[in-house]
Amino acid sequence: EVQLVESGGGLVQPGGSLRLSCAASGFTFTDHHMDWVRQAPGKGLEWVGRSGSKTYSHTTQYAASVEGRFTILRDVSKNSLYLQMNSLKTEDTAMYYCARDRGYSAFDIWGQGTMVTVSS
Amino acid sequence: QSVLTQPPSVSAAPGQSVTISCSGSSSNIGNNYVSWYQQLPGTAPKLLIYDNNKRPSGIPDRFSGSKSGTSATLGITGLQTGDEADYYCGTWDSRLTTNVVFGGGTKLTVL
Repeated sequence: EVQLVESGGGLVQPGGSLRLSCAASGFTFTDHHMDWVRQAPGKGLEWVGRSGSKTYSHTTQYAASVEGRFTILRDVSKNSLYLQMNSLKTEDTAMYYCARDRGYSAFDIWGQGTMVTVSS
Repeated sequence: QSVLTQPPSVSAAPGQSVTISCSGSSSNIGNNYVSWYQQLPGTAPKLLIYDNNKRPSGIPDRFSGSKSGTSATLGITGLQTGDEADYYCGTWDSRLTTNVVFGGGTKLTVL
């Protein structure tokens, strides 16, 4: 079964760090761009960033709102994607989803999401 | 303020049809493929339409997508109460550093 399972969310203070994980199964992990998308409570979807496919040397790209603070890592030996979040702000509070890109930024597989709350 | 513009809400009765619009520009919709997502309450988004008008396996043909110029449209026919959800359009934007953009979402109410 094709599946993505996120973990690692929780409550963190402003300025703190957190690392999210996304375990992939059921497909060739390196063949796909893998993205992080977030959704603040009651709000719409916001793209966070991407780890490109093997064809693109797993190059990363980031949204302007997280550039310099967030880092996306891919461990192909574990079929896992990570989102390292540093210097967290209250506005980073959101449900974070891992998503597979089937091509042209169409996300066909989504994880269940992991909630990150940034609050003092 | 989303890069792609969707109406905040639409409504229709069961059995009727509805369309949801998504307006952008030449840097996004005008030159890239559009996707549509359905998000039921408390769940992750689900891909409904990709490459402007293609349906993934398992998505009924009641759902359709089209694109013209810098706008895209999602159509739903034979509305069911289970279609009540938030709908989002998304695409690539070649001008922004935030490369993937979404619409603000449209809440569909099936009366």
